[in-house]
Amino acid sequence: AQSVTQLGSHVSVSEGALVLLRCNYSSSVPPYLFWYVQYPNQGLQLLLKYTSAATLVKGINGFEAEFKKSETSFHLTKPSAHMSDAAEYFCAIQGAQKLVFGQGTRLTINP
Amino acid sequence: KAGVTQTPRYLIKTRGQQVTLSCSPISGHRSVSWYQQTPGQGLQFLFEYFSETQRNKGNFPGRFSGRQFSNSRSEMNVSTLELGDSALYLCASSLELAGALSSYNEQFFGPGTRLTVL
Repeated sequence: AQSVTQLGSHVSVSEGALVLLRCNYSSSVPPYLFWYVQYPNQGLQLLLKYTSAATLVKGINGFEAEFKKSETSFHLTKPSAHMSDAAEYFCAIQGAQKLVFGQGTRLTINP
Repeated sequence: KAGVTQTPRYLIKTRGQQVTLSCSPISGHRSVSWYQQTPGQGLQFLFEYFSETQRNKGNFPGRFSGRQFSNSRSEMNVSTLELGDSALYLCASSLELAGALSSYNEQFFGPGTRLTVL
């Protein structure tokens, strides 16, 4: 069965600092991996996806993620945090007709 | 193109009642999935429908059911509501090519229905 694990349920960074949200996956087949963001009282918005093309994936709002097979990781980064980045972030892996999500990481931005 | 819409957005029910939630996918999308989101369990897959057929089901009791209509709109029903059913219910649709069961299909999520059971 495919799964993802997000390390850290809460991450706090200062405005302008590097954002690093960690995600490790487990899969017996080449994975399709996703990062979603959820703002309060809203649904999920796709930030970026890895579909076995380039290992460095660029997404919306300045986010990017690097697929590392040797480390089974797909960490999300952003060079400079903005107050508007405060939200919950979910890493997900595609299973059979479904997405399997990590537990989520709540990102707080300090002014 | 309009996104995924879910109705109602908010719902309050009492224990023992039943509830029906509705989801309209993006035009042309034939696959609709449902997820339950709670603070304790996170995001959990409920079921997925494609062309009016349920293809996959998560580990939920039989009180949770769903269906899909010929226009791809979907409904989910929860009978005999329990307090633990309070959650945000998210619907997602995807454009899936025929026969491409194992390929990548981007899912687009609706805003969710917030169900509170008292």
